[in-house]
Amino acid sequence: NAGVMQNPRHLVRRRGQEARLRCSPMKGHSHVYWYRQLPEEGLKFMVYLQKENIIDESGMPKERFSAEFPKEGPSILRIQQVVRGDSAAYFCASSLQGAPTEKLFFGSGTQLSVL
Amino acid sequence: DQQVKQNSPSLSVQEGRISILNCDYTNSMFDYFLWYKKYPAEGPTFLISISSIKDKNEDGRFTVFLNKSAKHLSLHIVPSQPGDSAVYFCAAAGGSNFGNEKLTFGTGTRLTIIP
Repeated sequence: NAGVMQNPRHLVRRRGQEARLRCSPMKGHSHVYWYRQLPEEGLKFMVYLQKENIIDESGMPKERFSAEFPKEGPSILRIQQVVRGDSAAYFCASSLQGAPTEKLFFGSGTQLSVL
Repeated sequence: DQQVKQNSPSLSVQEGRISILNCDYTNSMFDYFLWYKKYPAEGPTFLISISSIKDKNEDGRFTVFLNKSAKHLSLHIVPSQPGDSAVYFCAAAGGSNFGNEKLTFGTGTRLTIIP
C-alpha cells in the first residue's frame, strides 16, 4: 500500500518562474493537506482540500499561491512568480477522514529552492 | 505568534535512559495534541496523541503527559534507543482551527541518542 507520494523531491526555480508541486494521497484517502516548513521553523498549515473542493485555505498567501485537488489525478500546489522567500520544504499529507482523530500521513516533501 | 512552543531545539540522551521532550501551548482552546517524529529527508510520522479529557496516554515505550492548567505536555521515551534519534514535533488542534483538521506545529526538538 503506497504511502503519500510527492514529486518532485527537489525543485529549483529562478525568481519569477512558476513552481508546481504534486501530491498523490494514499489510496482511498480523499482529504489532502499542504504544509510548508521554512528553515529552522515548524510546519505551517497552508490549505486543506477534499476532492474538487477547497475546505480551508486560511494559511495560504493571498497572492501567487493556489491549490487544487481534481476528481482525477494528484493534488497540485502552484506557486506563480516565485521569490527567494518561497524557498522551503512543502509537505503534503492525506487522511481517510478529517484529521486529527484520523492521523495524517505525510509525504517526504518537495524541497523548493529559488535562485 | 507561536502558539505551540518547543523551547529546547536539541536534546542528547544516553541509550537506555529516559528521554523527555517538552512542549508548551498558549491557546486554551486546543483540545487535541499529537507528537510526530521526523527523520532527515522524510515526512513526519505520527507517534502518539492525547485528548484534553485525558492527562496521560501510553503506547509501548512512549508516554505523553498533558497538564492542562500549565498548558504543557511532554513526551517520555523509555528506554531510549539509537533509532529514536530524530526531530520530534509537538502539534495541537482545536480552537479556531476549522473543523479540528488544522494542526499547529511547534518548531521541533532534535533528539540524539548516544550509544
